[in-house]
Order: sequence, then structure tokens, then C-alpha cells
Amino acid sequence: DVKVTQSSRYLVKRTGEKVFLECVQDMDHENMFWYRQDPGLGLRLIYFSYDVKMKEKGDIPEGYSVSREKKERFSLILESASTNQTSMYLCASSSLLIAGGSTDTQYFGPGTRLTVL
Amino acid sequence: AQSVAQPEDQVNVAEGNPLTVKCTYSVSGNPYLFWYVQYPNRGLQFLLKYITGDNLVKGSYGFEAEFNKSQTSFHLKKPSALVSDSALYFCAVRESLDTDKLIFGTGTRLQVFP
Repeated sequence: DVKVTQSSRYLVKRTGEKVFLECVQDMDHENMFWYRQDPGLGLRLIYFSYDVKMKEKGDIPEGYSVSREKKERFSLILESASTNQTSMYLCASSSLLIAGGSTDTQYFGPGTRLTVL
Repeated sequence: AQSVAQPEDQVNVAEGNPLTVKCTYSVSGNPYLFWYVQYPNRGLQFLLKYITGDNLVKGSYGFEAEFNKSQTSFHLKKPSALVSDSALYFCAVRESLDTDKLIFGTGTRLQVFP
């Protein structure tokens, strides 16, 4: 089975702190994603990476950055945490789309519930 | 722009009754559609997907979904609901043909009463 793990289930930080959320997948997937989930808004894509050291902005990248130094690991960084970044953060991974083929399923980690005070 | 809509925030159904969770989509070209489920304090789990072929797609836990091109819908169904089906359900569509990104709906909370 695909396994996607996230470094923390719950995290409490102070405004202005630098926050690192780590995600690791064990299926050699090329693609990795960071989402935030908020009630009534569903999942919104923050950043996406399709290869090591490659990244692409999602719908809401402001206030976030990412790092992918190894294929299996994708980190989300909040440079200076703010209260409006209190949310559930979900990481996902999938295989690279094969040209002309079907898209692959995204597999999700358990999520990190971040509270910024 | 591609999008999906889940018109119901919550669906209530009695155990043993059939359930439907609605999803409509707006895409250019052929849609690739997904359903995911989220149990409390858990990540999302894949249920099923429609890529091409038979309009009725069968998935995990006895769920199925019917792709209807004329109505641009992809409703999730189950013939007999269980209390354990109570969860948050998300519909998603692939953003475009040249990306692996998905666009998610806002979610529908399913409550199954004993």
C-alpha cells in the first residue's frame, strides 16, 4: 500500500514563528502536493512538485514556500506564521501522468492540524 | 476554468436506505473525475474514479458513481447506507489534460442515522 506520512498530527505555533511541515511518501511517486483544508472551502492547492527541486505554485501560495531536495520528501514552510494560516494541512503524492494515458490517483497523508496563536 | 460543485453541505440518511451525494462539473473536453472520503481526523481516502468507458463506476466500500455527460454530473451512490459511512465526501476533477493537479469540491458531510 502507498504510504504518505506527515511529521506531526497536531502543531501549535506562535505568530511570526517559522514553521516546517514535512511529508514523506514511500512509493517513488514523482508528484507531491500540499493542500490546506478549511470548512466550507474544501481543499485548496498551495504548491505542487513534479520532480526533485521542481515546484509550481498552486491557488494560494502566498505566505508559503516549499522544498523538495529528495524525491520522497516534500516540505511546506511558513516563513512567518500568521493566525490566518491556522488550518488542516494535507500532503498527497501521485505518479507522473503518462502522456495520453489516464491520470493517477492522489494518495493523502493523515494531515497536520496547525494552530497559530 | 474547470470546476466541480457539491450543492449539498450535508446529506442525512437512515441506515439501510440508499444514499446519493451529488457532484456536478464544468470542464472543457473529457473530464477525469474522482471521489474521495475523509473520516474524522484522517486524510482523504480514494473511493473511485471515472476516466473513460462504462458510465457506472464501482469503487471501495460498496460505493459507485454514475457519470452523466448530458447533465455534467458524477453522483456518488450506495444502495444501502451504513452508520460507518458517515464522513466527509469530496468530488474532484483533473484541472486539464496536461497536468496532474486536481480541483476539489467543497465537500459534503454524510450523516447516516441508525
